[in-house]
Amino acid sequence: GQQVMQIPQYQHVQEGEDFTTYCNSSTTLSNIQWYKQRPGGHPVFLIQLVKSGEVKKQKRLTFQFGEAKKNSSLHITATQTTDVGTYFCAGPSGANNLFFGTGTRLTVIP
Amino acid sequence: DAGVIQSPRHEVTEMGQEVTLRCKPISGHNSLFWYRQTMMRGLELLIYFNNNVPIDDSGMPEDRFSAKMPNASFSTLKIQPSEPRDSAVYFCASSFSVGGYTFGSGTRLTVV
Repeated sequence: GQQVMQIPQYQHVQEGEDFTTYCNSSTTLSNIQWYKQRPGGHPVFLIQLVKSGEVKKQKRLTFQFGEAKKNSSLHITATQTTDVGTYFCAGPSGANNLFFGTGTRLTVIP
Repeated sequence: DAGVIQSPRHEVTEMGQEVTLRCKPISGHNSLFWYRQTMMRGLELLIYFNNNVPIDDSGMPEDRFSAKMPNASFSTLKIQPSEPRDSAVYFCASSFSVGGYTFGSGTRLTVV
C-alpha cells in the first residue's frame, strides 16, 4: 500500500539555522502536497508540486519535487521561532484522497 | 469564508457513551474528509465523501464508528459506544477537486 516516510522525525535548530525535511514515497506520485501544523493547531496547506523536478519558493521556504516523482523536500532558510511546528508531506491515495507522511517536528531554539 | 467549522472543540465523555462530532465544510468544496490524529499513529484517514457520497470508509476502525453527510454543508462522525482508545483529535477537512485540503480546528475527544 501507499507509504510516505519523512525524515527526520524531529529536528531542533538554533534560530537562524537552516532546516530541511525529506519525504520519500514507495511509489511514483502524481503530485505532492506540504502542510504545516503549529503546536495545538490544525494542518494548513502550504503548496502542491506537480511536475518532475519542480522547485517552488515561498519566502524562506523552498519546496522541491524529485525527478522520479518519488521524493520531495522542504528547506527553510534562516529559521525563525514562527517556523515551529510539524511539517507533513502528503501524496495521492485513491481517486481524491491524500496519504499523509509521518511528519517532521521542528523546534527552533531562540 | 469562515473556513471548515467543527464542533465541539473539546469533548470529554465516559466510556460507553455516544459521541457525535460535527463538521461544516467550505461552501463549494465537493470533498469532505474525516481524519484522526494521535501521537502513536499520526494522521489517519477515517472516511471521505465526494459530492456527499461516501467513497472510502476503509479507515473506519470498527462498527462503532459511523459517518454521514446528509447534504453538502454538513457531516457527522458518530462513535457509539465510545472507548478510551478512541481518545484523539478528530479533524474534518474539505477540498475542491484535487486541490489542497482545508482543515477545521479539530475536536479533541477524551474518553474516560
